[in-house]
Amino acid sequence: EAGVTQFPSHSVIEKGQTVTLRCDPISGHDNLYWYRRVMGKEIKFLLHFVKESKQDESGMPNNRFLAERTGGTYSTLKVQPAELEDSGVYFCASSPPPAGRHEQYFGPGTRLTVT
Amino acid sequence: DQQVKQNSPSLSVQEGRISILNCDYTNSMFDYFLWYKKYPAEGPTFLISISSIKDKNEDGRFTVFLNKSAKHLSLHIVPSQPGDSAVYFCAAIITGSARQLTFGSGTQLTVLP
Repeated sequence: EAGVTQFPSHSVIEKGQTVTLRCDPISGHDNLYWYRRVMGKEIKFLLHFVKESKQDESGMPNNRFLAERTGGTYSTLKVQPAELEDSGVYFCASSPPPAGRHEQYFGPGTRLTVT
Repeated sequence: DQQVKQNSPSLSVQEGRISILNCDYTNSMFDYFLWYKKYPAEGPTFLISISSIKDKNEDGRFTVFLNKSAKHLSLHIVPSQPGDSAVYFCAAIITGSARQLTFGSGTQLTVLP
């Protein structure tokens, strides 16, 4: 079974530019999450999709961040315009429908550097 | 305000000995806890979990202990192996509502051969 994949693995952009990150969850996983780790600190929640619907976007830092999940499959996270403080590692995770277990499966992350 | 705290940023242990990683939380609504392991340039990998209705869960060399009254959990690795060297994250979840994981800042474990 293929794991969660993310593209690109690394992106370097200038302040003010736009970047789009992509996440492909594990097949059959209705739940998709975005997290971010900044400066080696804790991993922080950004938002949660159930299929194509945003279930919780309380962690999105501001309106420069836009997440979509087309047809309930892959998801994109767009940052426009990027600021220096957006630098960090963006992780995507997925999990199956609730069944008593709550672990989430993470992708390798996209390292975003804004210069 | 960090709701899950890992106060030790690093820990070094000799191969074959026990590694004990600690985690404290402040939100009494958390009812499920997980440990993740992370190697450089990889995503976190699920290791072991525990529900708040239990005080211990064991899986091979890994055991997680939960002390609800102290809002404290720990991960024991016995015996420690060099391949266990990684960053370990504690995470918590409120299962009845939002399903987001709340993470600690991680502990770098180094197992010395």
